[in-house]
Amino acid sequence: QLQLQESGPGLVKPSETLSLTCTVSSGSISGSSYYWGWIRQPPGKGLEWIGSIYYSGSTYYNPSLKSRVIISVDTSKNQFSLKLNSVTAADAAVYYCARHPLHSSSWPLYFDLWGRGTLVTVSS
Amino acid sequence: DIVMTQSPDSLAVSLGERATINCKSSQSVLYSSSNKNYLAWYQQKPGQPPKLLIYWASTRGFGVPDRFSGSGSGTDFTLTISSLQAEDVAVYYCQQYYSTPYTFGQGTKLEIK
Repeated sequence: QLQLQESGPGLVKPSETLSLTCTVSSGSISGSSYYWGWIRQPPGKGLEWIGSIYYSGSTYYNPSLKSRVIISVDTSKNQFSLKLNSVTAADAAVYYCARHPLHSSSWPLYFDLWGRGTLVTVSS
Repeated sequence: DIVMTQSPDSLAVSLGERATINCKSSQSVLYSSSNKNYLAWYQQKPGQPPKLLIYWASTRGFGVPDRFSGSGSGTDFTLTISSLQAEDVAVYYCQQYYSTPYTFGQGTKLEIK
């Protein structure tokens, strides 16, 4: 069964760049039926969608974060990545990668498969 | 942005009883040409990622027990657990995928009374 696994530093200094990777296993990221997304959850709080990417590189971003976010894909490694620059304490959260199926109109839908998440702390 | 508002924030229900969680969107998430509501429900247990329960407002996800059901249309939606089991203790979120940014409700914490 397809699985997603987040990886990256658990501690990032304020003003620096948070970099995470999601590795897709037991399946291909290049399938035409899915977008791949990042969602975060500050400790004890709710869920916030960050952005999503198609294997071709097409992206959607949350406007609230768009100026600081880059999501990229590496089909040769079956991975997609998140970079969030100029982090502050407000960016501390569990970061999840997830899959969302495509509607026939090519619109990304709900999130049907999630990674286990990785906690990122922002501190000097 | 479409704002998703859930009620109540927390809920305590006896085992075997019905639990009902509401979700209201600030604008309709019904796509008229397909007559589909772009609304999903997730269950999140402590220390775990969210799990998809319901999509298209009323379609159960893979392997989701039939005691979970979703209803509603337009801007008002409901998640119902017909007979609460101990393993249903969790936080439940609704989410719209009608437009970006995708947005979630604030969550409803469900406990055993």
